[in-house]
Amino acid sequence: DQQVKQNSPSLSVQEGRISILNCDYTNSMFDYFLWYKKYPAEGPTFLISISSIKDKNEDGRFTVFLNKSAKHLSLHIVPSQPGDSAVYFCAASGGTSGTYKYIFGTGTRLKVLA
Amino acid sequence: GAGVSQSPSNKVTEKGKDVELRCDPISGHTALYWYRQSLGQGLEFLIYFQGNSAPDKSGLPSDRFSAERTGGSVSTLTIQRTQQEDSAVYLCASSLAGTTGGYTFGSGTRLTVV
Repeated sequence: DQQVKQNSPSLSVQEGRISILNCDYTNSMFDYFLWYKKYPAEGPTFLISISSIKDKNEDGRFTVFLNKSAKHLSLHIVPSQPGDSAVYFCAASGGTSGTYKYIFGTGTRLKVLA
Repeated sequence: GAGVSQSPSNKVTEKGKDVELRCDPISGHTALYWYRQSLGQGLEFLIYFQGNSAPDKSGLPSDRFSAERTGGSVSTLTIQRTQQEDSAVYLCASSLAGTTGGYTFGSGTRLTVV
C-alpha cells in the first residue's frame, strides 16, 4: 500500500525552463511534507518543506505547492539548472505515522539538459 | 562530526551470514533513524531512536533485523542470516529532537547479498 506516490519515474527539462515534480498521497492525516534531493552515491539532502496549514512555501528557485483537497503536492524549480539533475523524493508525516517517521515516495529522476 | 558517517560504504556478503552496519550521527543530534532503499523503491523506515526513550522498531521487516544505539550516539544495525531480499542501500539519518526541518542523511551502506 503506497501511501506516497510519485508516478513519474523520470523527467527531462531544458536548462532555464521550469521543472515540475509531482507527488500524491492517500492518507489525509499527513500534515507535514518534505522534498529531498539525491545525487548518486550520496544520501538524500533536505530541500524544502511545507506544513498542512500552508499551501505554498518558497525558497529561492524552489517552491512547493500543497493542495490538501486533492492530496497532491508539487515541487517547482525555476529556472532549472544542470546541477539540479538528481532524484527527487517527496515524503510525508503525521497522523498515526507520527511526526518523526516519514513515508517516502519512490522518487523522480530529473535530468536538466544544457 | 560534520555530517552523518556510515560504514562500510559497500558490503558484499554471502547468504546466511550476519552483517553489522554502523552509523555515526551528527554530534548533538538526539534523534537517529535507519531507512533502507531497495532497487526501484522509495525509502523504507526501519527504526527510530530518540534520546533514552524506547526505540520505535515498527519498521523492522523481520526478527533477523535489530539495532542498538550506544551512549546516545553511534548506532549499529545488525542483520542476521542475511537473505538476498535484504540487498539494498541502508541509510542512517539524524536530527535534533522535534525538528521540522528534515533529517540529515549519511551516504548509506550498499549491501549486496550473494
